[in-house]
Amino acid sequence: SQWGEENLQALSIQEGEDVTMNCSYKTYTTVVQWYRQKSGKGPAQLILIRSNEREKRSGRLRATLDTSSQSSSLSITGTLATDTAVYFCATVENYNQGKLIFGQGTKLSIKP
Amino acid sequence: NAGVIQTPRHKVTGKGQEATLWCEPISGHSAVFWYRQTIVQGLEFLTYFRNQAPIDDSGMPKERFSAQMPNQSHSTLKIQSTQPQDSAVYLCASSLDWGGYAEQFFGPGTRLTVL
Repeated sequence: SQWGEENLQALSIQEGEDVTMNCSYKTYTTVVQWYRQKSGKGPAQLILIRSNEREKRSGRLRATLDTSSQSSSLSITGTLATDTAVYFCATVENYNQGKLIFGQGTKLSIKP
Repeated sequence: NAGVIQTPRHKVTGKGQEATLWCEPISGHSAVFWYRQTIVQGLEFLTYFRNQAPIDDSGMPKERFSAQMPNQSHSTLKIQSTQPQDSAVYLCASSLDWGGYAEQFFGPGTRLTVL
């Protein structure tokens, strides 16, 4: 597998708290994409971070990428109940091809 | 823009029957991907098309699964002689470009249940 076993996780926090989700990957990648999947829906991309970027922000989201440790994180500040979803990180084997290799995901539950 | 459309949303088949899943990508998108999602295996890549041409089917179980894209407006995933282990949510995605930096837009999926 491209991903470490520690990626399978479930988190439950109170609305308004901040949260960070982590992923580690085994082989080289040029990009990490973070997706969110709500119940009954397909995944939707949240943020994409390239190998030459250490950090990327989008609204309440912040993604980091550490190529030396082959790990990425996604942080959400001021969580809302609507952030309840499963969050996936995904890498690509070849930047010329869009085949995504997904991690196991983090199930995030936000309690109102 | 209706997004990626997948039909049917739910399909129940008996063991040994055939199942055909349909995907209509977003108009103008050049790449179409198929993934399978189960609790145990998570999200797995199956196959993908670039400008209707099959590019990579490395994730497809070879014997009973096939995918086609006869025109730019739809792709099909066919499973022959379905088995209980084929039960999963099958997701179709399309992207404007086929590279690793392109955002993939996913449909809602087809939940296949094989009895």
